[in-house]
Amino acid sequence: AQSVTQLGSHVSVSEGALVLLRCNYSSSVPPYLFWYVQYPNQGLQLLLKYTTGATLVKGINGFEAEFKKSETSFHLTKPSAHMSDAAEYFCAVSPSQGGKLIFGQGTELSVKP
Amino acid sequence: NAGVTQTPKFRVLKTGQSMTLLCAQDMNHEYMYWYRQDPGMGLRLIHYSVGEGTTAKGEVPDGYNVSRLKKQNFLLGLESAAPSQTSVYFCASSPQPETGANYGYTFGSGTRLTVV
Repeated sequence: AQSVTQLGSHVSVSEGALVLLRCNYSSSVPPYLFWYVQYPNQGLQLLLKYTTGATLVKGINGFEAEFKKSETSFHLTKPSAHMSDAAEYFCAVSPSQGGKLIFGQGTELSVKP
Repeated sequence: NAGVTQTPKFRVLKTGQSMTLLCAQDMNHEYMYWYRQDPGMGLRLIHYSVGEGTTAKGEVPDGYNVSRLKKQNFLLGLESAAPSQTSVYFCASSPQPETGANYGYTFGSGTRLTVV
């Protein structure tokens, strides 16, 4: 069975600082991995995804994530935080042969001026 | 291209009342899903469908029913609403996983349901 753990329910950074949101997964098969962002009172928007191929994945708004199989991790980073990055971020995993996404509990990112 | 549309956006129900949430997608996706979102718990899968006429239970199916009579629509029903069903409900759709690079979920904007 697949599961996702996001370390830290709240992360606060200063504007211009590095953003690091942690995600570890468990999967019995090679996984598909995703990061979604949810702005207040909105639905979830895909930031980036890893399916196969290059393990460093670049997404929208300057975010990127690296799939590390040995560490079963898929951490999300952005070199320089912007105020508009304040939102809730969800990591999700899906088995390569099935469609159901399993979500982590979410990490709320706050950006201080 | 509207993507995934959910109706209604907000609803307040009394305990014991019934209602149906409608999800419609115009991307010809095979798979559709209903999730509920509660603080600190992320999104939990209620029911899903892998094609027209099919449905299956997810992680938290009790108290809900679904139907997928048409490929583009996925309905979520609450027969007798309870306060524990107060939540934000999200519908999503996806192409079949075998499409590989294009695989991913498209979410609706959510339905905020309060049961009093």
